[in-house]
Amino acid sequence: DTEVTQTPKHLVMGMTNKKSLKCEQHMGHRAMYWYKQKAKKPPELMFVYSYEKLSINESVPSRFSPECPNSSLLNLHLHALQPEDSALYLCASSQEHVGQGYEQYFGPGTRLTVT
Amino acid sequence: AQSVTQLDSHVSVSEGTPVLLRCNYSSSYSPSLFWYVQHPNKGLQLLLKYTSAATLVKGINGFEAEFKKSETSFHLTKPSAHMSDAAEYFCVVSPVRDSNYQLIWGAGTKLIIKP
Repeated sequence: DTEVTQTPKHLVMGMTNKKSLKCEQHMGHRAMYWYKQKAKKPPELMFVYSYEKLSINESVPSRFSPECPNSSLLNLHLHALQPEDSALYLCASSQEHVGQGYEQYFGPGTRLTVT
Repeated sequence: AQSVTQLDSHVSVSEGTPVLLRCNYSSSYSPSLFWYVQHPNKGLQLLLKYTSAATLVKGINGFEAEFKKSETSFHLTKPSAHMSDAAEYFCVVSPVRDSNYQLIWGAGTKLIIKP
């Protein structure tokens, strides 16, 4: 099973709302990632968790707050977002961190619209 | 510096004809290379990967790619296009010996299939 699940599929939120995106994998992978993807562009890395610890934060604004409750779960907490944050948010996982050449498996994404 | 160049932003072929999507990379070391496909409003699916074993790599859905070190290329091919192949394709480099450990993404190639 190479499935990564994400909820919700779609999310519309106002700029004062607080919401969370959730991601889950049951492949025993020890690295998990959050990406942001704008239309017609490749994904942009936001955060990397390796063995449940945040190892990379790509200078993401503090209105995005990641959390890794356990080795299978990854959350992205959203607060006071801006309209330009509207995008497809993708979660991915890999056996180990990508530097070892391991492929990443992606979830279907959450389509976020900030109004 | 490591980089990936997808030589065509759009490729249009007729159903049943061969597909060629071109990718050149630049890397100081022997990298791992991947092709991902993204159908409209969907997540990313791994098509195939090269990790320094056989230079001709077979993937899912009849796709294959050949690693040519002398040409620093990793072109994706399929003998006969199907309507369901219409999607965005990304060539990706994983720099195996890079402390930053980030995937490097090409800009993407949109494959259009004409009936």
